[in-house]
Amino acid sequence: DSGVTQTPKHLITATGQRVTLRCSPRSGDLSVYWYQQSLDQGLQFLIQYYNGEERAKGNILERFSAQQFPDLHSELNLSSLELGDSALYFCASSVAGGPDNTEAFFGQGTRLTVV
Amino acid sequence: GQNIDQPTEMTATEGAIVQINCTYQTSGFNGLFWYQQHAGEAPTFLSYNVLDGLEEKGRFSSFLSRSKGYSYLLLKELQMKDSASYLCAVRGSGNTPLVFGKGTRLSVIA
Repeated sequence: DSGVTQTPKHLITATGQRVTLRCSPRSGDLSVYWYQQSLDQGLQFLIQYYNGEERAKGNILERFSAQQFPDLHSELNLSSLELGDSALYFCASSVAGGPDNTEAFFGQGTRLTVV
Repeated sequence: GQNIDQPTEMTATEGAIVQINCTYQTSGFNGLFWYQQHAGEAPTFLSYNVLDGLEEKGRFSSFLSRSKGYSYLLLKELQMKDSASYLCAVRGSGNTPLVFGKGTRLSVIA
């Protein structure tokens, strides 16, 4: 158990809908990262938050947004869902967000299926 | 930009040694990580290299050559439970997040 909690574990929804994925980082970790993993792709970095503020942005679509709350949990919002958004969405956390950071710890992921 | 390459699949025999290679091209370098991921599960951290050389951790070792943009993960005394994907990831300059390769799917056979 990495200490990173993601809910829900599975989500099935229809095209055009909107969903929210939730992540609670390890106790004491200030940085939260969101990654998308599709069948043929590796882990694609979406976005990072550090202590409530956006720190880095990757290949995140405009239909997707995220935030980190004062208690450090984070939510990833996916809207106008398309079939191609079906994937595993992972949240990871680490202590810091700077160059002296070491490894990131991953949650168990949310498997999103868009039908 | 960043580019990370590793073989898609490898097969090895139980009890043997296998080496999984990773080459990378990044703007800046601040560490290379190896993760193990079983199908449908979370990636778990295996090793971290930021200086050239070999880091050993039990049955797993990881090597880094920064001048060549090259790393490998060495798995010894392979066990069936080592069948998994192995992900190479690089942190570029500053505080950039980890960028992952597509992973190498290792199958350990009897």
